Amino acid sequence: AQSVSQHNHHVILSEAASLELGCNYSYGGTVNLFWYVQYPGQHLQLLLKYFSGDPLVKGIKGFEAEFIKSKFSFNLRKPSVQWSDTAEYFCAVNARRNNDMRFGAGTRLTVKP
Amino acid sequence: SAVISQKPSRDICQRGTSLTIQCQVDSQVTMMFWYRQQPGQSLTLIATANQGSEATYESGFVIDKFPISRPNLTFSTLTVSNMSPEDSSIYLCSVGDGLGTEAFFGQGTRLTVV
Repeated sequence: AQSVSQHNHHVILSEAASLELGCNYSYGGTVNLFWYVQYPGQHLQLLLKYFSGDPLVKGIKGFEAEFIKSKFSFNLRKPSVQWSDTAEYFCAVNARRNNDMRFGAGTRLTVKP
Repeated sequence: SAVISQKPSRDICQRGTSLTIQCQVDSQVTMMFWYRQQPGQSLTLIATANQGSEATYESGFVIDKFPISRPNLTFSTLTVSNMSPEDSSIYLCSVGDGLGTEAFFGQGTRLTVV
């Protein structure tokens, strides 16, 4: 069965610090990988996704993620965070042509001004 | 992309009652899903809503508690039956693009059971 692990439950950073959030998945087949963000009081928004091609994908708001197949990882990065990045971040995976997403537990990011 | 409308956006219900949540999509979609997001937690898939047949439930979720209808390719309902405070959660409708490359989410229904 598919599963997704996010290593950090709560990350606290100062503005301008670099961010890396870990995500590992467990699935034997070909998968699509996603990062979603949920700002306080808002619904889920797609940050970025990977399904083929260049393993380094760029998303909105300066975020990027790298797919490392050998490590079953899809870590999210941002070189310099802003206070407005304070949110909950979810890694998700689905099997090809099957949209039932499996979500990680989420990482709460708090950015101090 | 797909635009998803959920009703109601929030509700406060008495324990023992039932609530039906509606999900309307602005285009025909093959795959529709219902998720639950309990306070401070991640999203958990409840079931896949199948058009013209019974929904497919994930482990831990049963039809008697969460009956689902999918009368056509643009609409689905989820009923939370015989509610208890433990059912307090956000319930989200999601649709897929049929290719597995993206999922779209409604704004969710925030349910509080008192």
